[in-house]
Amino acid sequence: NAGVTQTPKFRVLKTGQSMTLLCAQDMNHEYMYWYRQDPGMGLRLIHYSVGEGTTAKGEVPDGYNVSRLKKQNFLLGLESAAPSQTSVYFCASSYTTYKRREVYNEQFFGPGTRLTVL
Amino acid sequence: GQNIDQPTEMTATEGAIVQINCTYQTSGFNGLFWYQQHAGEAPTFLSYNVLDGLEEKGRFSSFLSRSKGYSYLLLKELQMKDSASYLCAVRDSNYQLIWGAGTKLIIKP
Repeated sequence: NAGVTQTPKFRVLKTGQSMTLLCAQDMNHEYMYWYRQDPGMGLRLIHYSVGEGTTAKGEVPDGYNVSRLKKQNFLLGLESAAPSQTSVYFCASSYTTYKRREVYNEQFFGPGTRLTVL
Repeated sequence: GQNIDQPTEMTATEGAIVQINCTYQTSGFNGLFWYQQHAGEAPTFLSYNVLDGLEEKGRFSSFLSRSKGYSYLLLKELQMKDSASYLCAVRDSNYQLIWGAGTKLIIKP
């Protein structure tokens, strides 16, 4: 199993350009997430999905859009990139199980995409 | 607001023991996770606590006190490969993970 994969690994954009980041998972997980990670800050949730065809906003959704047309894929779009969107983007997926009768859903992360917006 | 606090950086010696603390204030609590992240890589899962007490997994242990909003990760018999950032994350009442900024652990020979 490849686990969670992300493309591209690196990208440089100019302000105002658009792009799509692709996340794919082969673990049949229901939940998928997009995070950004900036120096000195924790991972921040951009958008997430609890199943095929569903998406929801996270902590920092502005300037991003997402789609989950297939269970295994979760796309993150930047319509008009800004320098403030320079970051490392991580995709993650998870399944829900129960541990000691409590909900347990460990997240599995992709390798990340390093995006620079000039 | 929601807040997760961890020390920014810690230094320890190879073969020693180190304890990384995490305190949290969140809207609800549905479990606490510790992840390890090597520089330039993705976070990987280390441990999960939902009930008070100690969870042990090999050289790593994690402790939780829900009444104090406190957890720690204990690493024993430190190895050079343990040099990494350690991320504490709490699942809140909406079942979303709130992440700390991470503790960078430097291991010296």
